[in-house]
Amino acid sequence: AQSVTQLDSQVPVFEEAPVELRCNYSSSVSVYLFWYVQYPNQGLQLLLKYLSGSTLVESINGFEAEFNKSQTSFHLRKPSVHISDTAEYFCAVTQSGSGNTGKLIFGQGTTLQVKP
Amino acid sequence: EPEVTQTPSHQVTQMGQEVILRCVPISNHLYFYWYRQILGQKVEFLVSFYNNEISEKSEIFDDQFSVERPDGSNFTLKIRSTKLEDSAMYFCASIEGADTQYFGPGTRLTVL
Repeated sequence: AQSVTQLDSQVPVFEEAPVELRCNYSSSVSVYLFWYVQYPNQGLQLLLKYLSGSTLVESINGFEAEFNKSQTSFHLRKPSVHISDTAEYFCAVTQSGSGNTGKLIFGQGTTLQVKP
Repeated sequence: EPEVTQTPSHQVTQMGQEVILRCVPISNHLYFYWYRQILGQKVEFLVSFYNNEISEKSEIFDDQFSVERPDGSNFTLKIRSTKLEDSAMYFCASIEGADTQYFGPGTRLTVL
């Protein structure tokens, strides 16, 4: 079984400051890792994902995350945030490989509050 | 760009009533999912569906819940006798292969 822990429930930050949202996971098998973003009153949108290969993955809007197998982490970072980045961010894992039904296990979510 | 759609956006029902939440997954996707998010809590897996049968379900998905793909496009979640604690946002998702799930905008279910 897998589990995901997002260590910060809320992260307030000023506009143009850097931010890191932390995610740790637990799994006895190999996993795929995802970050989803949920804007107010909207559904979940994929931000970025790690399946294999380079451990550093990037999104089109400046976010990046690094898969660290030894620390079982997949922290999300952005060097300079905008007001429009204010949202709820969810880290999620799914078991990789054959026999996987694809179900996602989510963390508790982190609310990123960007202040002017 | 193809997207997952869900109807209705908001459903209000009385406790004990049956509700059906509808989803139209992306057309060439093969795997379908339902998740729920109780207000202020994390998103929880309910059930996965592949090849016209349930492939996995969570402890939440008890006998009060059922899923169906009645035709080639719709994917439904039925709650037979709603309880107050079923109030939540319900998300449908679909996937082509073992990769990224695409989520619908959700249906907010309010049980009174």
